[in-house]
Amino acid sequence: DTGVSQDPRHKITKRGQNVTFRCDPISEHNRLYWYRQTLGQGPEFLTYFQNEAQLEKSRLLSDRFSAERPKGSFSTLEIQRTEQGDSAMYLCASSYTTEGSEQFFGPGTRLTVL
Amino acid sequence: AQSVTQLDSQVPVFEEAPVELRCNYSSSVSVYLFWYVQYPNQGLQLLLKYLSGSTLVESINGFEAEFNKSQTSFHLRKPSVHISDTAEYFCAVRNKGSARQLTFGSGTQLTVLP
Repeated sequence: DTGVSQDPRHKITKRGQNVTFRCDPISEHNRLYWYRQTLGQGPEFLTYFQNEAQLEKSRLLSDRFSAERPKGSFSTLEIQRTEQGDSAMYLCASSYTTEGSEQFFGPGTRLTVL
Repeated sequence: AQSVTQLDSQVPVFEEAPVELRCNYSSSVSVYLFWYVQYPNQGLQLLLKYLSGSTLVESINGFEAEFNKSQTSFHLRKPSVHISDTAEYFCAVRNKGSARQLTFGSGTQLTVLP
């Protein structure tokens, strides 16, 4: 399967714990995006990378959130000191750099904070 | 900043009937427009996109959408729906130029009834 993959698919954690999610994009894609989707809403942009450089961050990305893409391939999204409001589906997408290129989405990681 | 409004959160329709899912957007600059579909327990998949040129765009499974600049709309239509079209549909916009992230609407759940 050459699509975008995410791990884990589900994560249940207690409030205050740290969690880390991984995204493996389509190998030829230079751009990688993170979005968050809550129940009944569309995905909301969090951040994106071009190769290993993090080029943009949303206001939604509080200080407790950090994302990395160390070698320009896979990416990790870490949430420190999780809160119940962090419960959501975290989506990863990747694309080429060509103007207008389609973003291909992974299946998401569903986070539940108890 | 741009925004997307999907006026109908749920659209029930009988099989073989026509359907229209509405999408309006606001942006101060020119945009690219997209429709994504999310089937149960699956990731977002691109259904169709408008980048430039003909304002009517079509998908391989019979959906079409028309970009209307004066009304800032990008409604999705299908003349005859199937049970398998049951899914959540998201309209998204991306500013041309420097912005890379997609801004999504809140989604429309299309339920096709037998």
